[in-house]
Amino acid sequence: GPKVLQIPSHQIIDMGQMVTLNCDPVSNHLYFYWYKQILGQQMEFLVNFYNGKVMEKSKLFKDQFSVERPDGSYFTLKIQPTALEDSAVYFCASSQGQGANTGQLYFGEGSKLTVL
Amino acid sequence: GDQVKQSPSALSLQEGTNSALRCNFSIATTTVQWFLQNPRGSLMNLFYLVPGTKENGRLKSTFNSKESYSTLHIRDAQLEDSGTYFCAAPNVGDNSKLIWGLGTSLVVNP
Repeated sequence: GPKVLQIPSHQIIDMGQMVTLNCDPVSNHLYFYWYKQILGQQMEFLVNFYNGKVMEKSKLFKDQFSVERPDGSYFTLKIQPTALEDSAVYFCASSQGQGANTGQLYFGEGSKLTVL
Repeated sequence: GDQVKQSPSALSLQEGTNSALRCNFSIATTTVQWFLQNPRGSLMNLFYLVPGTKENGRLKSTFNSKESYSTLHIRDAQLEDSGTYFCAAPNVGDNSKLIWGLGTSLVVNP
């Protein structure tokens, strides 16, 4: 089926550093998402992005977080500066649309972030 | 986990047996997705459902929007079926984000 690719699969950084997580969504998809999963816990919505803009974000999407997709390249999640509580697995997803026929989300394999 | 409730929270099966997982919704929703997260943490799409039933190999899923539940049936369980099964659904009128259950942790034993 359609694939969403995430790079890196795992990153370890020191608290206070910047990190960028990259996502290559499904090629004809228009809506992009980031979700956060702390080890063994529930998957939580962070943000969704359409037409170059953030459409909706949750309270987990702190001021230190930003997303962009410059010129159709990777859809990125940047955290600057990182904090210990940012340690989690971040999943990127994309969908063609948001209706019943087009709203299926396809997820990447996750980027595990460890902040020391 | 209150808006999307999964049961059971954990399940142990013998290889070759059958079981059913359930997802109850306290939100109004018109679609549901089922995923399997394997022990390495990767998420696999299993089903995307509007009201009705879909089947794929040994898996079958039903979504009943009127009674606000979805089920996932596993037939002839295999060792590689082990992992955590999640259901997720958007609140009607807000298709922009999925609300997730807490998952059912399945272990298939030889």
